[in-house]
Amino acid sequence: DVVLTQTPPTLSATIGQSVSISCRSSQSLLDSDGDTYLNWLLQRPGQSPQLLIYSVSNLESGVPNRFSGSGSETDFTLKISGVEAEDLGVYYCMQATHAPLTFGSGTKLEIK
Amino acid sequence: QVTLKESGPGILQPSQTLSLTCTFSGFSLSTYGMGVGWIRQPSGKGLEWLANIWWDDDKYYNPSLKNRLTISKDTSNNQAFLKITNVDTADTATYYCARLRITRGYVMDAWGQGASVTVSS
Repeated sequence: DVVLTQTPPTLSATIGQSVSISCRSSQSLLDSDGDTYLNWLLQRPGQSPQLLIYSVSNLESGVPNRFSGSGSETDFTLKISGVEAEDLGVYYCMQATHAPLTFGSGTKLEIK
Repeated sequence: QVTLKESGPGILQPSQTLSLTCTFSGFSLSTYGMGVGWIRQPSGKGLEWLANIWWDDDKYYNPSLKNRLTISKDTSNNQAFLKITNVDTADTATYYCARLRITRGYVMDAWGQGASVTVSS
């Protein structure tokens, strides 16, 4: 199975600060069709996960544009440009290139 | 608006069969490109994908649990189901269903609130 390693495990930020979360894959996530199926999700406290970004850098409808994704092959980054209070929670990367679908271990964002 | 809601037994004993239902609205499992996936999360831990079912009845399972899982759907009643046989305390978790949408691969773009399941003797 593909192992996704997220760093840091915990992140503390002030409102307005920009932060980045890393997701490294044990294998290239570049599919034979030329696309890369790495997504980012946010799970707010007590809530179910929600999709933020798909295929590395595509913003899901309704997601604020302070969220952005980048990367290729095995190294990916989620950036929040100007953290807001509602951004607290656990961020997960998820890959759908290789079966079975796997998730990273999560990065908890705390607001100072 | 897409909504999903999971339902299950709450508590069951080891070796029993866990039956979960996902009742959804806002989309149809007879529509091209639509699917439902099941994911679980032990308390305080990460996410584990279990199974997917698609509009064309294609089914995919996590190999680590494949022999214990059965996914199915009732298109006319907008429901999807997951059965897990021979449960153990390690199956204690919150179980989520999510809508699958084909777009540059596929995404889980809407999730249910989750159903808590405890396996205990």
